[in-house]
Amino acid sequence: QLQLQESGPGLVKPSETLSLTCTVSGGSISSSVYYWGWIRQPPGPGKGLEWIGSIYYSGSTYYNPSLKSRVTISEDTSKNQFSLKLSSVTAADTAVYYCARRPPMGAFDIWGQGTMITVSS
Amino acid sequence: EIVLTQSPGTLSLSPGERATLSCRASQSVTSSFLAWYQQKPGQAPRLLIYGASSRATGIPDRFSGSGSGTDFTLTISRLEPEDFAVYYCQQYGSSLMYTFGQGTKLEIK
Repeated sequence: QLQLQESGPGLVKPSETLSLTCTVSGGSISSSVYYWGWIRQPPGPGKGLEWIGSIYYSGSTYYNPSLKSRVTISEDTSKNQFSLKLSSVTAADTAVYYCARRPPMGAFDIWGQGTMITVSS
Repeated sequence: EIVLTQSPGTLSLSPGERATLSCRASQSVTSSFLAWYQQKPGQAPRLLIYGASSRATGIPDRFSGSGSGTDFTLTISRLEPEDFAVYYCQQYGSSLMYTFGQGTKLEIK
């Protein structure tokens, strides 16, 4: 059974770079069938989901235009992981960050449990 | 960028009733790439419907999706206590861009 697990620092200072890793178990990120993505959700009632970006097994990446200048997504197939780097963070980047799998049908079918990232000095 | 607008913002119903949730897109969406998710507090979203009308693995048949073009609907035929949650629609566009609606909260009346 495929599982995804996010890991990260929990707290990041303003202007620094946020780094998160998603470890995939029970399946390979090298499969040509799937994309892998990052989605975030600010805390609080009524706060919705925002797609950050996705990576394909070939290494091709796709980013949300609103974040593109600050985002890098990469993969480490030897560790079966993919990672997110978000630079120059501000309080507005405080959110729960999820990693997820996207099969060809275009929806994210398996999600990690999420990791809370707070941007604060 | 395609904007998805969900309505109503909050829907108050009782167990056993029928729920109808709407998702309207700012421009036409390929039906193959319209999905619905359920999210409960403290949990990751759970995929319910993909391709506008196909149920994901393990999703009960009281959940159904329909629609095309710019108007899509999620229907829950008879509400169970565990169905009270927030629901999001999501689209995947030709520009390889994903967007989510702002969500509909389904609460117990």
